[in-house]
Formats: sequence, C-alpha cells, structure tokens
Amino acid sequence: QSALTQPASVSGSPGQSITISCTGTSSDVGNYDYVSWYQQHPGKAPKLMIYDVSNRPSGVSNRFSGSKAGNTASLTISGLQAEDEADYYCSSYTSSITYVFGTGTKVTVL
Amino acid sequence: QLQLQESGPGLVRPSETLSLTCTVSGGSISSSTYFWGWIRQPPGKGLEWIGTVYYSGSTYYNPSLKSRVTISVDTSKNQFSLKLSSVTAADTAVYYCARVPSGFFDYWGQGTLVTVSS
Repeated sequence: QSALTQPASVSGSPGQSITISCTGTSSDVGNYDYVSWYQQHPGKAPKLMIYDVSNRPSGVSNRFSGSKAGNTASLTISGLQAEDEADYYCSSYTSSITYVFGTGTKVTVL
Repeated sequence: QLQLQESGPGLVRPSETLSLTCTVSGGSISSSTYFWGWIRQPPGKGLEWIGTVYYSGSTYYNPSLKSRVTISVDTSKNQFSLKLSSVTAADTAVYYCARVPSGFFDYWGQGTLVTVSS
C-alpha cells in the first residue's frame, strides 16, 4: 500500500487560514469515511485532531476542521496561531482492513 | 484517564528480533469497542502503521511487514506486544502503541526509540 500524498510544507501568517490536502485512492480515502488527522510537535507523540473525516475530539479547538471530496481529504486550520506550528499527518482505513498514513506536512507560522 | 506505555530494549542487533510491550492503564484491553495498534516513525520520517490486534487475538498487519511481524495480546496483564523479526537498520524508529476505536488512533503512548545496530 502506498502512503497518502500530502504537500511537504504549508505556511501562513498568524490569523490566516491554511488547508492541507491528503490524496489517496478509491481503495482508501475515496471509499471510507475513516479519515483522521494528527498533529505532531517535535519529540512528541502524534495527537488526534480530526476523526471520521470531520469530527473533532473533545478538547480540540474548533479552529481545526476536516472535509473530503472524492479521493482527497483536507484539514483546514483557521485563525492560525504560533502553537499550530507542527507536523500534520492524515490517515485512512483501507479496503484491505489496514491503515495507511500520509507523507506528512510541516506547517510553519510566519 | 487512559494511558499507554511502551517498553522493551532500545538496542537490537541486526538479524535479531525486536520485542516491545505496550501496557494499558486506566482502561481494559478486553473492551469489545477497541482494537490496539502499533505505529512506527523512523528518525526524521513519517508515520507507518505496523499492525492492529483485537482482544480476541485477531490481527491485521501492514502487507509490507507481514512476513516479519507478530502482534499478540495478554488480557490478564492488560498488555499487547509486538515482535519484528530479522531486523535491519531500516527498522530503526520510534515505536508507538495506540488505541484504535474504529478507523483512527485516539490514545498514543509516548513512544520508544529502537535502534538496530551491531
């Protein structure tokens, strides 16, 4: 199985909105609403930010939102803050009863 | 509050078997609601799903690692384990364990670095 495709980096100024894409295939992102997003700060474990395409776990800011269209899922961070600077990974359940992660995106707050 | 903690050797010799255990506290590994999984991250690289186990012992593995991976569960100790055989330097990574409700990973351990070197 191939990793989902994400842009290597995305940047924005404080207060702006940014969107990270996550492109898969009809065997994963396109066929299941089991897309999730994770935030990872250096040296830390990943943190769940979005699950089932667009649901936020308790405690996650509503500045984070998720969506999906066809084989591509997206994570939008609105009102960008310095603390949002981190690596972000998407993940999808697949038709092989397995999981696949994205290639990862480094978000920089200018 | 659910907590997961990985444990095991930090150094493994090439061609040997990597063995890690994840101890779950604050919740039961026997819950029918959850699977339990292993994910790894080579230094400076992205996340890779290794495999998932159910409390009954059912397992699902990454096809690229399937021939070398065994994941098992010990409900009496509230633990699940990972064994990866015939390791090489490419298996050097931070290994995480996580809870898997359905389609995502919600609670993660802090991770443990395993280095493969002679």
